[in-house]
Amino acid sequence: AQKITQTQPGMFVQEKEAVTLDCTYDTSDPSYGLFWYKQPSSGEMIFLIYQGSYDQQNATEGRYSLNFQKARKSANLVISASQLGDSAMYFCAMRALADRGSTLGRLYFGRGTQLTVWP
Amino acid sequence: DAGVTQSPTHLIKTRGQQVTLRCSPKSGHDTVSWYQQALGQGPQFIFQYYEEEERQRGNFPDRFSGHQYPNYSSELNVNALLLGDSALYLCASSLPNSYEKLFFGSGTQLSVL
Repeated sequence: AQKITQTQPGMFVQEKEAVTLDCTYDTSDPSYGLFWYKQPSSGEMIFLIYQGSYDQQNATEGRYSLNFQKARKSANLVISASQLGDSAMYFCAMRALADRGSTLGRLYFGRGTQLTVWP
Repeated sequence: DAGVTQSPTHLIKTRGQQVTLRCSPKSGHDTVSWYQQALGQGPQFIFQYYEEEERQRGNFPDRFSGHQYPNYSSELNVNALLLGDSALYLCASSLPNSYEKLFFGSGTQLSVL
């Protein structure tokens, strides 16, 4: 089974500063994918970034980068140059890739981190 | 291009009633997944539909059932509602074997009184 742990219930950052949101995971699957989603108060889960366990380089998407440390089983999200609109709940999630049967389509989520950006 | 759409946005029911939630996937997507998100928690996988069949199921009782239509839209049905069923229900769509991301709707907020 997969498990995602997000130990920061809330984080605060000043506008234009960088912030790191922590995520650790546990899995016995040899091949997996790691995701970060943003959930504003509207409720929609917005995809931010993806990292495959087989990827040699850390993923980047604009102001978002994923600091992937496979040996430590961590997948931290780094947001550079924070903006007021970044204030939201952020979820780390993972998905098994090798098992095409029972778990291929399901995401396992952490409990989330509430990010607040202040002026 | 419309994203994933869900209806209704909010719903209030009483214990013991039945409810049906609806989801239209993103254009071109034929796989639909449903998630339950309780207050203060991350989403929990309920089940996934592909080719009008339930392909995977999470740890939810049989009171939770679903359906997928030929146009790929989907329904989530919950019978004999309990207070603990109060949650945000999220629908997500994807292409088959698309490892990189799911597209989520804004959800249906269900309150059971």
